[in-house]
Amino acid sequence: DAKTTQPPSMDCAEGRAANLPCNHSTISGNEYVYWYRQIHSQGPQYIIHGLKNNETNEMASLIITEDRKSSTLILPHATLRDTAVYYCIVRVAEETSGSRLTFGEGTQLTVNP
Amino acid sequence: NAGVTQTPKFQVLKTGQSMTLQCAQDMNHNSMYWYRQDPGMGLRLIYYSASEGTTDKGEVPNGYNVSRLNKREFSLRLESAAPSQTSVYFCASRLAAYQETQYFGPGTRLLVL
Repeated sequence: DAKTTQPPSMDCAEGRAANLPCNHSTISGNEYVYWYRQIHSQGPQYIIHGLKNNETNEMASLIITEDRKSSTLILPHATLRDTAVYYCIVRVAEETSGSRLTFGEGTQLTVNP
Repeated sequence: NAGVTQTPKFQVLKTGQSMTLQCAQDMNHNSMYWYRQDPGMGLRLIYYSASEGTTDKGEVPNGYNVSRLNKREFSLRLESAAPSQTSVYFCASRLAAYQETQYFGPGTRLLVL
């Protein structure tokens, strides 16, 4: 799996957009970008994933650069409940998955009132 | 649709005692996983079940056994608990082959004295 680099922490004002960057300069052509988050004391939560096109769902948008070396997760209107550690994961899609999801250090996003 | 459920939420054991952590999912997922998360650390895969009737070791299987009872349920057993097994245990299930979209339960917090 390609290595990812994320800032250790970010702050965002409630109601504003939160833009979380991830660098994955060694990503290969068949690797997807996944985003998860973990709110304190809860299980990790899947947010969104993509291969090369930008993606949007009810939780967030994922912008992947044309060269696929970096991506940005966008929470359009952050709320206090979005305070969590956000993880960017790059993985090859496999039929079975015997290896763990490698969550790395992630970015601690703190949404301030 | 409850997603992934885990019981119990909390448990305190004495060294040498045994217990079984229960996990169930109602999303008709084929693959299920057991992870542990220690303070300040990422998730580590204990065991996984790619499909009903199969189980395989993950990264840290020693001291644990698992049973894939049916498609819905995947249990984790500690035969003789040790203080090193104090951790938060998460069960997860995977949506489909060729995707790393895993859905996690709320976790079981285990303290071994």
